[in-house]
Amino acid sequence: GAGVSQSPSNKVTEKGKDVELRCDPISGHTALYWYRQSLGQGLEFLIYFQGNSAPDKSGLPSDRFSAERTGGSVSTLTIQRTQQEDSAVYLCASSLDRYQPQHFGDGTRLSIL
Amino acid sequence: QKEVEQDPGPLSVPEGAIVSLNCTYSNSAFQYFMWYRQYSRKGPELLMYTYSSGNKEDGRFTAQVDKSSKYISLFIRDSQPSDSATYLCAMSGAGGGNKLTFGTGTQLKVEL
Repeated sequence: GAGVSQSPSNKVTEKGKDVELRCDPISGHTALYWYRQSLGQGLEFLIYFQGNSAPDKSGLPSDRFSAERTGGSVSTLTIQRTQQEDSAVYLCASSLDRYQPQHFGDGTRLSIL
Repeated sequence: QKEVEQDPGPLSVPEGAIVSLNCTYSNSAFQYFMWYRQYSRKGPELLMYTYSSGNKEDGRFTAQVDKSSKYISLFIRDSQPSDSATYLCAMSGAGGGNKLTFGTGTQLKVEL
């Protein structure tokens, strides 16, 4: 079946611009997660959505980062006023519920010039 | 000190060898333990998922968890060139799959 789908696969933008990254989870998965993978830091948790509950935003590095999940399905991660240190691979994962293993998409490679 | 420590490698082995990959952790609240495989420019792919201490086997892969030592291992038998990838350990607390904490990954190369 279809896995987690992320778009775009690559994004290059200038410092100071806003970017939107999209995640389409596996159908029927109620939990959705965003992570960031960078060379120096490895894989870091950003935000977690579970059903209609308030999201766990404890991993967002600054208020320039925000995410929403509409209709319990597709999610968008938005980075405002991008900085060079935002360059990384942004990975989305979903799971059937919070107790089941997470399955990842192939990520969006974000480069800030 | 990081919550999860993993030797970054690179680790190079001949085809057919048994590979041992390990992680140590400091947070005693971790209850769920996972191993992911990541190929270049791809997302992590789940290999093994275990709860609490014990062993789990799936084909050529065996995962071991020793909570008393805060130590987990992944063994790969009869390693193949297609196993060449980065292996990431991950773990989470009593709340289940919420908020995984990852090791930095071990790069493995299986040589012909």
